[in-house]
Amino acid sequence: KAGVTQTPRYLIKTRGQQVTLSCSPISGHRSVSWYQQTPGQGLQFLFEYFSETQRNKGNFPGRFSGRQFSNSRSEMNVSTLELGDSALYLCASSLEGFVAKNIQYFGAGTRLSVL
Amino acid sequence: KQEVTQIPAALSVPEGENLVLNCSFTDSAIYNLQWFRQDPGKGLTSLLLIQSSQREQTSGRLNASLDKSSGRSTLYIAASQPGDSATYLCAVTMDSSYKLIFGSGTRLLVRP
Repeated sequence: KAGVTQTPRYLIKTRGQQVTLSCSPISGHRSVSWYQQTPGQGLQFLFEYFSETQRNKGNFPGRFSGRQFSNSRSEMNVSTLELGDSALYLCASSLEGFVAKNIQYFGAGTRLSVL
Repeated sequence: KQEVTQIPAALSVPEGENLVLNCSFTDSAIYNLQWFRQDPGKGLTSLLLIQSSQREQTSGRLNASLDKSSGRSTLYIAASQPGDSATYLCAVTMDSSYKLIFGSGTRLLVRP
């Protein structure tokens, strides 16, 4: 069974640009969560999607947005990039159900560098 | 606001040693707690999940305990191996959502 796939693995952008990251969950998983990892702030929750609906959201500005498609694949978009957006963006998927019974499976991440 | 702290930030031990990693959280009303492993340049791998009603979970050489009342969890690694070298993260959820609140991690080096 294929794991969580994130594309691209690496991205270099300049300030002011926008970027779209993609995440394909494990087959059958309907929940997709996104996290940002930086040396200063660690791992922080961005948002979670389930059945094409955003079910939970972290404390990030509106420049960070996401969506989920009917096949459970998810994209996140960051507009008007800032230097501080440089980070490893991780996606995780999980089966439907109570979180206590379902472990999240993480992708390898997309490393975004903003110059 | 929930805060998760991991001590020490880094740890270096010789192969074969038993070791304990610590995780503390400020709000004891957690839903569950998980331990993850992260290898350089890679994503996270879930190691153990402890529900709020449980006291411990075991998987192979790993044992995780949870004391909600004191806001603490420990990850015990028996007979450490160089392949155990990685960053270990603990994370809690406060409700039935998938929103994980992570600690800053402990970077472990097991020397051959």
